[in-house]
Amino acid sequence: DGGITQSPKYLFRKEGQNVTLSCEQNLNHDAMYWYRQDPGQGLRLIYYSQIVNDFQKGDIAEGYSVSREKKESFPLTVTSAQKNPTAFYLCASSIFRGPGETQYFGPGTRLLVL
Amino acid sequence: QKEVEQNSGPLSVPEGAIASLNCTYSDRGSQSFFWYRQYSGKSPELIMSIYSNGDKEDGRFTAQLNKASQYVSLLIRDSQPSDSATYLCAVNMISAGGTSYGKLTFGQGTILTVHP
Repeated sequence: DGGITQSPKYLFRKEGQNVTLSCEQNLNHDAMYWYRQDPGQGLRLIYYSQIVNDFQKGDIAEGYSVSREKKESFPLTVTSAQKNPTAFYLCASSIFRGPGETQYFGPGTRLLVL
Repeated sequence: QKEVEQNSGPLSVPEGAIASLNCTYSDRGSQSFFWYRQYSGKSPELIMSIYSNGDKEDGRFTAQLNKASQYVSLLIRDSQPSDSATYLCAVNMISAGGTSYGKLTFGQGTILTVHP
């Protein structure tokens, strides 16, 4: 079955702690994205990557970091510098042929602060 | 001004009626437009994509695009209670440098409720 997986489904962070959210895809997609969704809000782009070993900041990158060592994987670390991390985190991927490629989403990770 | 703005909800329609969801965008150079459906607590799923002016139909769904007016809409015919969800409009905005890497800008979403 092809698709995008995210883990864990729920994640609890203590103050001052860094946590990492996993995103894996077996769709052979080139591009991967991380979004954050707050209650009643649309999605905001955190980071994106078009190719392995390359990534760019999105609109709200502060307090987050990513890596893209493999085409299939794009983990997101929420650092202690992110003061309001409680949100629904969504990973997406697309075949990067140019503008307008459809993005497909994983099931999401809900991050809560203890 | 928000870059992508959707009509404020929530929108409530009776079962069998037509639901009309609207979206305006600020970047005249935008090329691609998407409608996603998001059930409560779930991730967005693609309903429709549209790239050219006019209508595009897929089953009970019709997307309409008017680039001159910077307006895209989604019509849901014969609405069903299972259509109750948040609908997100997403637009492929062109960056300031004139290139686009596929970045989507999302509206805030419109909550649709279809009541029996």
